[in-house]
Amino acid sequence: SQQGEEDPQALSIQEGENATMNCSYKTSINNLQWYRQNSGRGLVHLILIRSNEREKHSGRLRVTLDTSKKSSSLLITASRAADTASYFCATDAQGAQKLVFGQGTRLTINP
Amino acid sequence: GAGVSQTPSNKVTEKGKYVELRCDPISGHTALYWYRQSLGQGPEFLIYFQGTGAADDSGLPNDRFFAVRPEGSVSTLKIQRTERGDSAVYLCASSRGRAYNEQFFGPGTRLTVL
Repeated sequence: SQQGEEDPQALSIQEGENATMNCSYKTSINNLQWYRQNSGRGLVHLILIRSNEREKHSGRLRVTLDTSKKSSSLLITASRAADTASYFCATDAQGAQKLVFGQGTRLTINP
Repeated sequence: GAGVSQTPSNKVTEKGKYVELRCDPISGHTALYWYRQSLGQGPEFLIYFQGTGAADDSGLPNDRFFAVRPEGSVSTLKIQRTERGDSAVYLCASSRGRAYNEQFFGPGTRLTVL
């Protein structure tokens, strides 16, 4: 079963705009990770945020985590056509190593 | 190698046949994971190895699915008596272990059961 839910399911924006994707989950977690997937194949790890962290940055990526609301957001600034992909959040529940993924947000950047 | 590799990249088989999917993790990573992804869905956990032993196999759908990692490195996912519903992309990931759970994924094996 899938724990996380991404919102929106699909997002289409113009190149240069910012893209924001949200993720909600159900159980207490150790970490939350964001992944990108192109063309339905391998997932690329973007960023990991620990349960005791509230915000993290990596290049054009900004991730926030609100454990009281069991939610996270991924912000991509100054989007590029190459950012077109599906984005997934994944959580590992306390005491478990397996990742539980949401259904993903399909992001399209229009040139 | 630099990343996780999986072979074959594509596998087409007939219903009822046996298949093996191979995963080579990142060198030095003690933890290895198998996931399955159906079209339009996020990956779903199958099994997790810490070293040679299966630490969590709660995601295996039934006893037709089995995985091994005999030397703590390469892993093989084995599916017996394949069914059309087994068609999916099978993803392998590895990580440095319990305290470091950033999981790095391979390109996947697309399995098609006719």
